[in-house]
Amino acid sequence: EIVLTQSPGTLSLSPGERATLSCRASQSVSSFLAWYQQKPGQAPRLLIYGASSRATGIPDRFSGSGSGTDFTLTISRLEPEDFAVYYCQQYGSSPTFGQGTKVEIK
Amino acid sequence: EVQLVDSGGALAQPGGSLRLSCAASGFIFSSYSMTWVRQAPGKGLEWISYISYGSHTIFYADSVKGRFTISRDNAKKLLYLQMNSLRDEDSAIYYCARGSDYGAYVFDYWGQGTLVIVAS
Repeated sequence: EIVLTQSPGTLSLSPGERATLSCRASQSVSSFLAWYQQKPGQAPRLLIYGASSRATGIPDRFSGSGSGTDFTLTISRLEPEDFAVYYCQQYGSSPTFGQGTKVEIK
Repeated sequence: EVQLVDSGGALAQPGGSLRLSCAASGFIFSSYSMTWVRQAPGKGLEWISYISYGSHTIFYADSVKGRFTISRDNAKKLLYLQMNSLRDEDSAIYYCARGSDYGAYVFDYWGQGTLVIVAS
């Protein structure tokens, strides 16, 4: 099983700031990596697939990068609605998710 | 509008059974693979089962293999998860999710989730 490790566990930032979230895989997943956003009481929402492609309707302040084992989700300027938990997911083999990074208001 | 509506969650006893359903609308259900993902209270996401659009290919996570069965009825636009031999650690919110045009394991639409509690 491929283990995904996300860091940091919590990111405390203010609206307008830049958020950088990391996801590291225990072995290469090529570019088979997705990012999801989850707000309390809601289902996850797909943001990024193929490591760097935005899903339909996702604002361009969200961007993904990386390949192999190291990946990054960047939110260029945090909007109030962006404070949530973010999960990475690999689909190079049997799918697994990271443990999540919470982006909270500072 | 694509919609997935999960149902069937309940309180069950250890060793008991439940069947979850996911009703799909707003898209050609028979053209898409489907998946179940669960989330224990306050925890992260865990993929548990996949079924291809025509039911020809089915996969399970090791944690549920031999106990859970995924199936679908394309005519009724329904996805199912039969859960047997339930354990305390199966307590979670269960989401159905659609495999996207980006990849079968990239999930672009999700149900609202249905809560399963396993306790005596």
